[in-house]
Amino acid sequence: KNEVEQSPQNLTAQEGEFITINCSYSVGISALHWLQQHPGGGIVSLFMLSSGKKKHGRLIATINIQEKHSSLHITASHPRDSAVYICAVGQGAQKLVFGQGTRLTINP
Amino acid sequence: DTAVSQTPKYLVTQMGNDKSIKCEQNLGHDTMYWYKQDSKKFLKIMFSYNNKELIINETVPNRFSPKSPDKAHLNLHINSLELGDSAVYFCASSQRGSGGETQYFGPGTRLLVL
Repeated sequence: KNEVEQSPQNLTAQEGEFITINCSYSVGISALHWLQQHPGGGIVSLFMLSSGKKKHGRLIATINIQEKHSSLHITASHPRDSAVYICAVGQGAQKLVFGQGTRLTINP
Repeated sequence: DTAVSQTPKYLVTQMGNDKSIKCEQNLGHDTMYWYKQDSKKFLKIMFSYNNKELIINETVPNRFSPKSPDKAHLNLHINSLELGDSAVYFCASSQRGSGGETQYFGPGTRLLVL
């Protein structure tokens, strides 16, 4: 079993739908990261959080430290949101442990 | 200006060859990383360097040797390439080097070993 588990692995939705991607982890962490990998392959950091909630545009990330769970929400989804979303946890010094990623496809 | 750059972007080579991938960051960060992404898109850390000092070596075969000539550069040399080395290799950097910092990724190097 991976230390970081994401669900679902694949998600297809229609434009405009509210999207939720979940991440659970089983280890102590310094912070949790959400990353986005576009079809072209580049990886961009979306959020880093260690408590509570963060919002950037249509994206919202939440974390519950007690339950070791985080969610990434996308409101009013758009085809350009289609990408692989990766959850990663920071462990101590300099180490990120990654989930397997969630492939999101938004159809027009 | 690209923050984290890698060369080459694509690398196709024969089994048994030796190859290098170069990485440079212009963010003034102290820490740099190499990650491997397999065919299932799973990312895993290989190495991290802080100010030219090796910090993490994540049970990577000895055929992989990172070299950091200065804190802005981290190169990856691979000897005797094997089919299983085919993957995308990402370089990244962060300010000081902790799990609680944002990491900035390079565009990746797609390595195909034939």
